[in-house]
Amino acid sequence: DGGITQSPKYLFRKEGQNVTLSCEQNLNHDAMYWYRQDPGQGLRLIYYSQIVNDFQKGDIAEGYSVSREKKESFPLTVTSAQKNPTAFYLCASSTAPLYEQYFGPGTRLTVT
Amino acid sequence: EDQVTQSPEALRLQEGESSSLNCSYTVSGLRGLFWYRQDPGKGPEFLFTLYSAGEEKEKERLKATLTKKESFLHITAPKPEDSATYLCAVKGTLGGYQKVTFGTGTKLQVIP
Repeated sequence: DGGITQSPKYLFRKEGQNVTLSCEQNLNHDAMYWYRQDPGQGLRLIYYSQIVNDFQKGDIAEGYSVSREKKESFPLTVTSAQKNPTAFYLCASSTAPLYEQYFGPGTRLTVT
Repeated sequence: EDQVTQSPEALRLQEGESSSLNCSYTVSGLRGLFWYRQDPGKGPEFLFTLYSAGEEKEKERLKATLTKKESFLHITAPKPEDSATYLCAVKGTLGGYQKVTFGTGTKLQVIP
């Protein structure tokens, strides 16, 4: 079955530590995205990538970094510079930017 | 700036009691309006894409409609398994073709 996988489902870290969230897709989609979801707010775009080795900042990129070395993979690193990292992180992909996005199951990150 | 407002925030229905969820939007040049279903602790599941006013799409008990200012998600004879948060999102021409603006969702509870 084609789809998007994110790991781990739950992640706990201490303040000051960098952490990397995994996102893999086997849908052969070119575009991939990272969103953050907080209670009472709409999904907010962190980074997106249209093709391999290219990515762009979204609305809230500060304190985050990404890489896109393979079409299937788009990992997100939450750095210690992110002031409020505790959130639900969602990865998505689409065939092209004009079309609907398909989401992974999400990773809930808790930083204490 | 594109905006999406969903109402009501929460809706409680008896099983079989039909109703509608509203998504009001302002966008510069609508390229697409998307509906998603999100279960607690999971990623959003894609339901529909609407591209132009007057367009309608159906899936089981759900029907989405679109006007120039809003979209409705009609739920006919809902069942308890329809309980979820329903998200609306729009893609406009501003912010580049990757920009999707999400609403905060309507949390639907269907009581047996």
